[in-house]
Amino acid sequence: DIQMTQSPSSLSASVGDRVMITCRASQTVSSYLHWYQQKPGKAPTLLIYAATTLHSGVPSRFSASGSGTHFTLTISSLQPEDFATYYCQQSYSGSSFGQGTRLEIK
Amino acid sequence: QITLQESGPALVKPTQTLTLTCNFSGFSLTTSGAGVAWIRQPPGKALEWLALIYWDDDKRYSPSLASRLTLTKYTSKSQVVFRMTNMDPVDTATYYCVHRSMGDAFDVWGQGLMVTVSS
Repeated sequence: DIQMTQSPSSLSASVGDRVMITCRASQTVSSYLHWYQQKPGKAPTLLIYAATTLHSGVPSRFSASGSGTHFTLTISSLQPEDFATYYCQQSYSGSSFGQGTRLEIK
Repeated sequence: QITLQESGPALVKPTQTLTLTCNFSGFSLTTSGAGVAWIRQPPGKALEWLALIYWDDDKRYSPSLASRLTLTKYTSKSQVVFRMTNMDPVDTATYYCVHRSMGDAFDVWGQGLMVTVSS
């Protein structure tokens, strides 16, 4: 199994802040890494696929980088609607998710 | 427009088998590259990938749960059936049926079905 570890597990930030969330894989996942946003009571939505590609309709303040075992999701200027939980997911070998990063309003 | 809808029991007893159906539209599981996955989320906890079936009937299961899981596709009915045997209270979760995109991510999710395991 490939284990995905996100950091931090939770994060407090203010509107307008730049935020970075990290995801590490226990072994290489190449670029088979994807990011999701989930709001309370809702299904997750896809933000980024293939490590760096913005999904259709996702605001450009979201970006991502990385390959191999180390990945980063960046939100350049937090908006009120961005306060949510974020998950990374690998699809290199089967699939697995990180434990999530809860982004809260400071 | 791709849509997926889960259906099945909201409550199952311990040791019973859970059977969930995903009815989908907007794509075909005969198209090369297509896939449907099942993902669950216990209350207040993280997402957990369970299983994935591809257009060519290749199937992948979570290693920790593989002995309990079965996926079957019914192409003509645009359905995928998910079965999990020997249910336990720790299996209480929202179960999602999800479309696998050509980019290998999960791009369209069903609304989810909350399943409680209790006697």
